[in-house]
Amino acid sequence: DTAVSQTPKYLVTQMGNDKSIKCEQNLGHDTMYWYKQDSKKFLKIMFSYNNKELIINETVPNRFSPKSPDKAHLNLHINSLELGDSAVYFCASSQDLGRGRETQYFGPGTRLLVL
Amino acid sequence: DAKTTQPNSMESNEEEPVHLPCNHSTISGTDYIHWYRQLPSQGPEYVIHGLTSNVNNRMASLAIAEDRKSSTLILHRATLRDAAVYYCILHGGSQGNLIFGKGTKLSVKP
Repeated sequence: DTAVSQTPKYLVTQMGNDKSIKCEQNLGHDTMYWYKQDSKKFLKIMFSYNNKELIINETVPNRFSPKSPDKAHLNLHINSLELGDSAVYFCASSQDLGRGRETQYFGPGTRLLVL
Repeated sequence: DAKTTQPNSMESNEEEPVHLPCNHSTISGTDYIHWYRQLPSQGPEYVIHGLTSNVNNRMASLAIAEDRKSSTLILHRATLRDAAVYYCILHGGSQGNLIFGKGTKLSVKP
């Protein structure tokens, strides 16, 4: 059983479209994250949720909206896609916020290409 | 979160030990030292973490300097599958997220 799963794995779309990426974890964790890895391979946090409550919202355009329907799911909706949104998006989860002790489990990534 | 400094790249021969260094001179007393790795086309994967004492698990060992200003990830016998980017991360924030640097790209030669 995959611990953290994301769908779709690949997403190719046109500029201006709206798309969603889904993430599910079956680990019973309270905290979930979205990270973005750009073409230079830098991994940066976008959002984190703890018990369905938004904890971190980094300087991400408001075209990106996370939604957590329950603790096991954290979806990412992107409006009006732009070329610069092309990247790999990783979902992750941890038991809780942990103050440094917690291990994070990452999904396989969603490769988004905006044409 | 404090910064870490790692070499950009390292090379190893298969079945030999690998020592991946990390400097973190501004580490705070509550920061844990975490190591993650990212294999090609995969998500980051947890390797090991520690606070003050050296740690061992089935994947690797973590040696932490007495002053905690540096640490070394030790892969005891490198395999081709260990070729990846290894990230040393100081983690102690209350918000939970990891702050990734550039990491060390490890190449393993057969």
